Amino acid sequence: DTGVSQNPRHKITKRGQNVTFRCDPISEHNRLYWYRQTLGQGPEFLTYFQNEAQLEKSRLLSDRFSAERPKGSFSTLEIQRTEQGDSAMYLCASSFEGGSTGQPQHFGDGTRLSIL
Amino acid sequence: DQQVKQNSPSLSVQEGRISILNCDYTNSMFDYFLWYKKYPAEGPTFLISISSIKDKNEDGRFTVFLNKSAKHLSLHIVPSQPGDSAVYFCAASAIKAAGNKLTFGGGTRVLVKP
Repeated sequence: DTGVSQNPRHKITKRGQNVTFRCDPISEHNRLYWYRQTLGQGPEFLTYFQNEAQLEKSRLLSDRFSAERPKGSFSTLEIQRTEQGDSAMYLCASSFEGGSTGQPQHFGDGTRLSIL
Repeated sequence: DQQVKQNSPSLSVQEGRISILNCDYTNSMFDYFLWYKKYPAEGPTFLISISSIKDKNEDGRFTVFLNKSAKHLSLHIVPSQPGDSAVYFCAASAIKAAGNKLTFGGGTRVLVKP
């Protein structure tokens, strides 16, 4: 399977704990995106990388959130001091962007975070 | 401010008939539009896209129409099959102005009855 892979699929933790999610994009893709989806809503953009450079962060991404893509391959999203409102599905997507035309993003199956 | 809206939260259609899903947007900078399908416990799956320089794009049973003056796009599925039952999301991006980050609508749940 050469699709986008996310781990873990489900994370349950107590409020105040730190959590880290991992995303492995499609290998030849240079862009990697993180989105968050809550029940009944569409995904919302959080941040994206071009290779290892983090190019944009949404204002949804508070100081408790940090994302990395150290070698331009896999990415991690860390949430520190989790809060109830962080409960959501965290989706990763990747695409190959090489010009001025749009390319579709391909999504992983997400990590569902539940805060107790 | 919801820049992409799907005003119909649900749609029920008979197998074999046409499903028409609608989407409206407000940001005139959007120049690339996509439709995704999502099954429970899975990530969104890309279906079809259209650039703002076109008004129609077809791929098998799926056709997307774009009306730039009305800031409206639609997805036609013909013929509808039971396996099409899922939540469909419209998404848009402003490639030249803001990279390719996607702004999604709230989704339309489609039920295809056999």
